[in-house]
Amino acid sequence: DAGVTQSPTHLIKTRGQQVTLRCSPKSGHDTVSWYQQALGQGPQFIFQYYEEEERQRGNFPDRFSGHQFPNYSSELNVNALLLGDSALYLCASRLLAGGSGELFFGEGSRLTVL
Amino acid sequence: AQSVTQPDIHITVSEGASLELRCNYSYGATPYLFWYVQSPGQGLQLLLKYFSGDTLVQGIKGFEAEFKRSQSSFNLRKPSVHWSDAAEYFCAVGANTNAGKSTFGDGTTLTVKP
Repeated sequence: DAGVTQSPTHLIKTRGQQVTLRCSPKSGHDTVSWYQQALGQGPQFIFQYYEEEERQRGNFPDRFSGHQFPNYSSELNVNALLLGDSALYLCASRLLAGGSGELFFGEGSRLTVL
Repeated sequence: AQSVTQPDIHITVSEGASLELRCNYSYGATPYLFWYVQSPGQGLQLLLKYFSGDTLVQGIKGFEAEFKRSQSSFNLRKPSVHWSDAAEYFCAVGANTNAGKSTFGDGTTLTVKP
């Protein structure tokens, strides 16, 4: 049973560029959340997708956008990258209805903005 | 607004000694509380969760946590620490119906001395 998989694992971008990160949820899960974890801090909620729609959003600017596909996989897009966007981006999945409420996390995509 | 405070940034214990990691939360309703562990370069793994019922919850790897509503605390404990427990530990609070949107503390780094 594959867990949550994320790609790429590491990437380097320059300021002003755009980036797309990808996430495949754990088998059987239908809800995907994205978190940003800056160095030395806890993860911060970006947004959550369910039924291909953004359901909740944290305190992040519109430069951060996402998408969920019919197979429940998800993408996180960040436009006009800033130095402060350098972080580990974590994807987490769960089963919305009937599940235990537990989030399953991937290993993350580490983004460095130069 | 919900928030989580982990007062101890870094804790060092000797192998075989007992461990307690502190977590205080702020939440307007009955909280769903979680403890996660993160090893270097890894995603987060759920250790245990509290939704309702018995205030002492057992988790994986011999960890337990106690929910104290009067103190707004959810401290993590382990009676005998193993070297493999060295990692970063995060406490999180979430809503019942939206555990996908969890608020995390900034973590406590555990070092285990031989």
